[in-house]
Amino acid sequence: EAGVTQFPSHSVIEKGQTVTLRCDPISGHDNLYWYRRVMGKEIKFLLHFVKESKQDESGMPNNRFLAERTGGTYSTLKVQPAELEDSGVYFCASSRSGMNTEAFFGQGTRLTVV
Amino acid sequence: QQPVQSPQAVILREGEDAVINCSSSKALYSVHWYRQKHGEAPVFLMILLKGGEQKGHEKISASFNEKKQQSSLYLTASQLSYSGTYFCGTEGLGGTSYGKLTFGQGTILTVHP
Repeated sequence: EAGVTQFPSHSVIEKGQTVTLRCDPISGHDNLYWYRRVMGKEIKFLLHFVKESKQDESGMPNNRFLAERTGGTYSTLKVQPAELEDSGVYFCASSRSGMNTEAFFGQGTRLTVV
Repeated sequence: QQPVQSPQAVILREGEDAVINCSSSKALYSVHWYRQKHGEAPVFLMILLKGGEQKGHEKISASFNEKKQQSSLYLTASQLSYSGTYFCGTEGLGGTSYGKLTFGQGTILTVHP
């Protein structure tokens, strides 16, 4: 069974540019989560999809961040325009439907805004 | 609020034991434990539910004290492969988003030969 896959693994962009991160969850997993870890700090929740619907986007920092999940499969997280404080590691996780299920994490995308 | 993990870092020799604690200021439904090695994905270790305890691995176990909103991860007879950063993720009671985890700041565990 393939795990959660994230692309790219690293991205370096200039302030003001746009970046799109992609997450391919484990096949059949309805739940998809985005998290972010800024250097030296804790992993913070960004948002939660159930299939193609946004269940909770309370962690999205501002309207420069846009997440989509096409057809309930892969998800993208776009940052436009990127700011210096957006730098960090962005993790995606997926889990089966239902409660108390373990979430499988991807290896993360390290975003550096210069 | 973010749960607090202690200690922040632990250094062990192979075969020694360690305990990592996770404390929350709010009522919890569940606690999830993960281990992350540098540059890799966080790996699920176990989940502890309100009203119960679940063991995920032989030499790694955990407890959940609901009254104190605390969880502890126990690593016995540590191996070199145990090295990494350990995170607890808590899920609060109520809310609209199940599975949404609030993570502690992590505990760096280093095991030496």
